[in-house]
Amino acid sequence: GQSLEQPSEVTAVEGAIVQINCTYQTSGFYGLSWYQQHDGGAPTFLSYNALDGLEETGRFSSFLSRSDSYGYLLLQELQMKDSASYFCAVGPYNTDKLIFGTGTRLQVFP
Amino acid sequence: NAGVTQTPKFQVLKTGQSMTLQCAQDMNHEYMSWYRQDPGMGLRLIHYSVGAGITDQGEVPNGYNVSRSTTEDFPLRLLSAAPSQTSVYFCASSYADDLRGGLSTPYEQYFGPGTRLTVT
Repeated sequence: GQSLEQPSEVTAVEGAIVQINCTYQTSGFYGLSWYQQHDGGAPTFLSYNALDGLEETGRFSSFLSRSDSYGYLLLQELQMKDSASYFCAVGPYNTDKLIFGTGTRLQVFP
Repeated sequence: NAGVTQTPKFQVLKTGQSMTLQCAQDMNHEYMSWYRQDPGMGLRLIHYSVGAGITDQGEVPNGYNVSRSTTEDFPLRLLSAAPSQTSVYFCASSYADDLRGGLSTPYEQYFGPGTRLTVT
């Protein structure tokens, strides 16, 4: 089956570092994407891991380990504008679909 | 470049009515998809298309139809609206250049602003 699990909510203070985990139970997939969605807005693409390891894009980094069925999004130097929902997504083998997790709501406090 | 546009932004339907949600993109993307998002939930794939003339079902296709006669447009039709279809609907598009064995998973998608649909 295909299932992506994320914590429902994470809180942190400005300037801190936060990690949002994504655990998947699926028969296999090609890569892992992350999207950000502010309240009332549309999802926007953040990052994509095609291979195992760490990908860094400014304050955001994303990690993938297929052997551990695990990935995470790391947000550094948190800002108030980072308060949003974050979704991981995978493309299962033998399909051309992108399947999303249920999302993690990040609240950043001053 | 308008990106991905969706109309209408808001819609209220009565149970049993039909309607079409419009989606258009001007980026010449091959891949287009429709998702629904319910409160506190992720995005669930309804239907998708890897190119003009080609459509396929996602995770929750029942009650919806799609067609793709042009690269630019991908309308979603609700055949007979039900309260369970109350949701926010997002259309998305991407290049289909991430090919493995002929597949083209859209890891980097561009989303439209969404249509908020209420069925009473």
